[in-house]
Amino acid sequence: DAMVIQNPRYQVTQFGKPVTLSCSQTLNHNVMYWYQQKSSQAPKLLFHYYDKDFNNEADTPDNFQSRRPNTSFCFLDIRSPGLGDAAMYLCATSAGRDPKYNEQFFGPGTRLTVL
Amino acid sequence: AQSVTQLGSHVSVSEGALVLLRCNYSSSVPPYLFWYVQYPNQGLQLLLKYTSAATLVKGINGFEAEFKKSETSFHLTKPSAHMSDAAEYFCAVSLTGTASKLTFGTGTRLQVTL
Repeated sequence: DAMVIQNPRYQVTQFGKPVTLSCSQTLNHNVMYWYQQKSSQAPKLLFHYYDKDFNNEADTPDNFQSRRPNTSFCFLDIRSPGLGDAAMYLCATSAGRDPKYNEQFFGPGTRLTVL
Repeated sequence: AQSVTQLGSHVSVSEGALVLLRCNYSSSVPPYLFWYVQYPNQGLQLLLKYTSAATLVKGINGFEAEFKKSETSFHLTKPSAHMSDAAEYFCAVSLTGTASKLTFGTGTRLQVTL
């Protein structure tokens, strides 16, 4: 089945230690998104790639970076995690950007714990 | 800027009872509106969407929602709750023309009891 895969499902890191979260997709979608979802809060868009074009949200901290080496993979790098970065990180994909025609498909998420 | 407000962070219904999850939106232009469901340890799944066609939208698993411009609402309903409906439900809005950005509400956790 075509799907969005996130690894690892659970990640524990230390305060200030860089961490990378991985997302892969078999849907061959052009767009890949990263959302941050803190406990009991709404998912918040961090950034997205439209093909190789990177689109950062204005309020995304510089501590968060992303890479998309090819269509299938996208990485979220947190350069110096703080306690406030503990959250569920959701990856999503869509064929195009117009939500009228393009459903976003979500992965199961990676839960990040910062010690 | 667009936003959605979900009234009630927790809703509990008996199996077989009506499910009503409330969502109100704020938007300066006609929006697209969405309901997503999130089961434990899973990603979000699209239930249904309103994109300016019919105001009553039918989705998967027997859910439907009605767009009411006069009330700026997009409430989610299901006539008869099933135990498998227990999950977190998110309302989301996107403005026409801005393409990529979904803005989510804070979610409503639905509990279904016997």
